[in-house]
Amino acid sequence: GAGVSQSPSNKVTEKGKDVELRCDPISGHTALYWYRQRLGQGLEFLIYFQGNSAPDKSGLPSDRFSAERTGESVSTLTIQRTQQEDSAVYLCASRGQATYEQYFGPGTRLTVT
Amino acid sequence: KNEVEQSPQNLTAQEGEFITINCSYSVGISALHWLQQHPGGGIVSLFMLSSGKKKHGRLIATINIQEKHSSLHITASHPRDSAVYICAVRSRLDFGNEKLTFGTGTRLTIIP
Repeated sequence: GAGVSQSPSNKVTEKGKDVELRCDPISGHTALYWYRQRLGQGLEFLIYFQGNSAPDKSGLPSDRFSAERTGESVSTLTIQRTQQEDSAVYLCASRGQATYEQYFGPGTRLTVT
Repeated sequence: KNEVEQSPQNLTAQEGEFITINCSYSVGISALHWLQQHPGGGIVSLFMLSSGKKKHGRLIATINIQEKHSSLHITASHPRDSAVYICAVRSRLDFGNEKLTFGTGTRLTIIP
């Protein structure tokens, strides 16, 4: 079956531009997570969606970051007015209801020049 | 001090050696995960533990809740085991949102 997919796989953007990253979770997975991994560093939690509940946005680093998810489908992570420190791999993961195991997508490598 | 610390940061071993990677954490947790990140970046979940020990093939994970410590062991290591191994914990304080806090990973290289 299909795993978690993310697009684009790579994105190069100029400082100050907005970017939108997409995550398609595994069908039926109610939980969806966004993480960031800067070069040489560990993963950082950004945001968590669980069904129709209010998302946990506690990991978003600034108000330039936002994410949306409609129901249990696709999620988009938007970064406005990108800065060089936003350069990282952005990873999405999804999880089914009956398990704590998270399934990760391949990530989007964002480079802000 | 990070909530989750792994050791060693880097480990190089010969094929066939027994490998141990350690993870210590400072918060009360409800579960601990071990993840494998391949050189291409893909992340695979290996184990989720809340107590005791789990085994899958050549991989064994143990956790000691009282000591706030977990180990990941690889028996008969093989070059294809070369990857970054990541420990992540789910804090008891984050009940209901399943947020994970990650260690910085252990880069394992197995030489043929």
